Amino acid sequence: KAGVTQTPRYLIKTRGQQVTLSCSPISGHRSVSWYQQTPGQGLQFLFEYFSETQRNKGNFPGRFSGRQFSNSRSEMNVSTLELGDSALYLCASSLVGTDSGNTIYFGEGSWLTVV
Amino acid sequence: AQSVTQLGSHVSVSEGALVLLRCNYSSSVPPYLFWYVQYPNQGLQLLLKYTTGATLVKGINGFEAEFKKSETSFHLTKPSAHMSDAAEYFCAVTLSGGSYIPTFGRGTSLIVHP
Repeated sequence: KAGVTQTPRYLIKTRGQQVTLSCSPISGHRSVSWYQQTPGQGLQFLFEYFSETQRNKGNFPGRFSGRQFSNSRSEMNVSTLELGDSALYLCASSLVGTDSGNTIYFGEGSWLTVV
Repeated sequence: AQSVTQLGSHVSVSEGALVLLRCNYSSSVPPYLFWYVQYPNQGLQLLLKYTTGATLVKGINGFEAEFKKSETSFHLTKPSAHMSDAAEYFCAVTLSGGSYIPTFGRGTSLIVHP
């Protein structure tokens, strides 16, 4: 079956603009989470959605937001972009998500460059 | 709260040599432990995980890891490195009965020399 799909794969934005990234989870998966990956900070958890509700949130400013649709597809938005937002944004999905031994499956990521 | 420490941001081995990537965790309750691999320009892929039961866990591509509670470690090994193993490796932890959002280590870049 198809894996986690993220679009776009690469994008360049100007400081102050906003960006929306999209994620389609594996069919049947209802939990979608987002991570930011940078060389300096590693992998940092942004937020997790389940059944269209944000269930967990990491320690990021309010400029970072997300949502989930009824078909489990998810989007994340970053407003007022800063140079430090340049990163690889990874989406991951899992069946339900509340089992700590649960495997999460990652997409290939969206590379965002802010200039 | 749980945490993960990966010793060595870069590990360099020769093709055919033993691979050893170190991971130590900190948690107040039984952990679940994971190793993920990230190839260039790709997302993370699960190599193996420990939840309960046998402490020696075998994963894909010939990798294995052993959960050692007394040492709070979950080191990843492979007897013989292959050029295709060159990648970034991440150790992660969740908590049994607790937070199911994984906490990731900073990653270790494995370099394989011919």
